[in-house]
Amino acid sequence: NAGVMQNPRHLVRRRGQEARLRCSPMKGHSHVYWYRQLPEEGLKFMVYLQKENIIDESGMPKERFSAEFPKEGPSILRIQQVVRGDSAAYFCASSQDRDGYTFGSGTRLTVV
Amino acid sequence: GDSVTQMEGPVTLSEEAFLTINCTYTATGYPSLFWYVQYPGEGLQLLLKATKADDKGSNKGFEATYRKETTSFHLEKGSVQVSDSAVYFCALEAGSYQLTFGKGTKLSVIP
Repeated sequence: NAGVMQNPRHLVRRRGQEARLRCSPMKGHSHVYWYRQLPEEGLKFMVYLQKENIIDESGMPKERFSAEFPKEGPSILRIQQVVRGDSAAYFCASSQDRDGYTFGSGTRLTVV
Repeated sequence: GDSVTQMEGPVTLSEEAFLTINCTYTATGYPSLFWYVQYPGEGLQLLLKATKADDKGSNKGFEATYRKETTSFHLEKGSVQVSDSAVYFCALEAGSYQLTFGKGTKLSVIP
């Protein structure tokens, strides 16, 4: 039973490009959460999704960021027109119900 | 709002030394408290947790006790090893699914 799988592990984008981060939850988990870790900071909640539904996106920046968790396939965090300040580690976590998070290894985004 | 404050690092210790990493919190209600560990290049792993006052979480020689009166959840280990070198995060969950994290404390253990 594989854990939470995130890819790519490292992503480099030029300013203005789009970044797509993928997260496959653990088997049987229907809740997905995205967190962002800025340099020298703790993780900050971004968004909570269930299949085909965004439950809470209160931590998402209002512009350029979006997330989805389709009926089939991984959850996607999409950042349009990236800027240097988007450089961070993005972590996905999943749970079966609302307890017991399991985190993935993260995607480290670098904007050049 | 909810917040977690943990001691700033980096912390450097010799092997077999005693470790304490302080963590205090502010939250409404009665949160659950966690310690996560992040090894270089990896994601966060749950190290231990406590869900109510006076509970002691323990794992791999690490311990932390939920102290409601001092709103603290300090992490301790009696004898650290080189393999314990990592970043340690204190976190809380206050009745919702969101975790609130401290900034992390980097621990380096030297032989």
